[in-house]
Amino acid sequence: QQPVQSPQAVILREGEDAVINCSSSKALYSVHWYRQKHGEAPVFLMILLKGGEQKGHDKISASFNEKKQQSSLYLTASQLSYSGTYFCGTGRNQFYFGTGTSLTVIP
Amino acid sequence: DAGVIQSPRHEVTEMGQEVTLRCKPISGHDYLFWYRQTMMRGLELLIYFNNNVPIDDSGMPEDRFSAKMPNASFSTLKIQPSEPRDSAVYFCASSSRKGFGANTGELFFGEGSRLTVL
Repeated sequence: QQPVQSPQAVILREGEDAVINCSSSKALYSVHWYRQKHGEAPVFLMILLKGGEQKGHDKISASFNEKKQQSSLYLTASQLSYSGTYFCGTGRNQFYFGTGTSLTVIP
Repeated sequence: DAGVIQSPRHEVTEMGQEVTLRCKPISGHDYLFWYRQTMMRGLELLIYFNNNVPIDDSGMPEDRFSAKMPNASFSTLKIQPSEPRDSAVYFCASSSRKGFGANTGELFFGEGSRLTVL
C-alpha cells in the first residue's frame, strides 16, 4: 500500500529541472509532498486535495492525476537548497509515505 | 509557537532496557502521530491519536511497543524490552486535521529521537 516513487535517486546541476513521480495501487484521496534534509525532520511542501489540482510555490509545483492514481512534483531551475529526500504521502483510512526520492543538486 | 518538541534527541541503550520517547505536540492540534524511519522500511506510521484517544495502532510492530497520550500536550512511546532491530529515528508529528483522506491537513514533525540499541 506504500506509494512507489520514481526515480529513486537523481543528481542535478544547479539550474536543471527534475520531475518526481508518485504512484499508488489504490485510489488517491489527497497527496502530500514533503522534503527531508539529511538528519532533519520532513518538512511540508504542499497538499493536493483533488484530481486535476495543480499547485506550486516558488519553483516547485505538483500535479495530481486522480484517474492514473499518481502525482508528480516538478522542480524547475533547481537550487542547491533543493537537495534532500522527497516523499509523497497519501491514503484514505491510513497515511502512507512513499518510498522516497533522493535529490542532489550540485554546483 | 514552539513547534513539536521531542525528547531525547539521541538515546543509546543496551538490549533489554526500557526506552521512553516523549513528544509535546503543537498546542491546539487534535491529531498526534508516531512514525519510525529506517533505511530499509522508510517512514512507517506506528500509531495515531485523535483528541488523546488512540485511533489506529496497527502499525505498532509488537507488544513490546506501547504509546500513551495522557493529555493534549504530552505523549510517550515506550519500548520494553528494547532490541537492536528497534534502532531507528522516531518522529512525532501533529496536525489540526487527519493526515489522510479527503479532509487532510499538513503534518508538523518534531526533530526526531534517534534510538540506538546495542
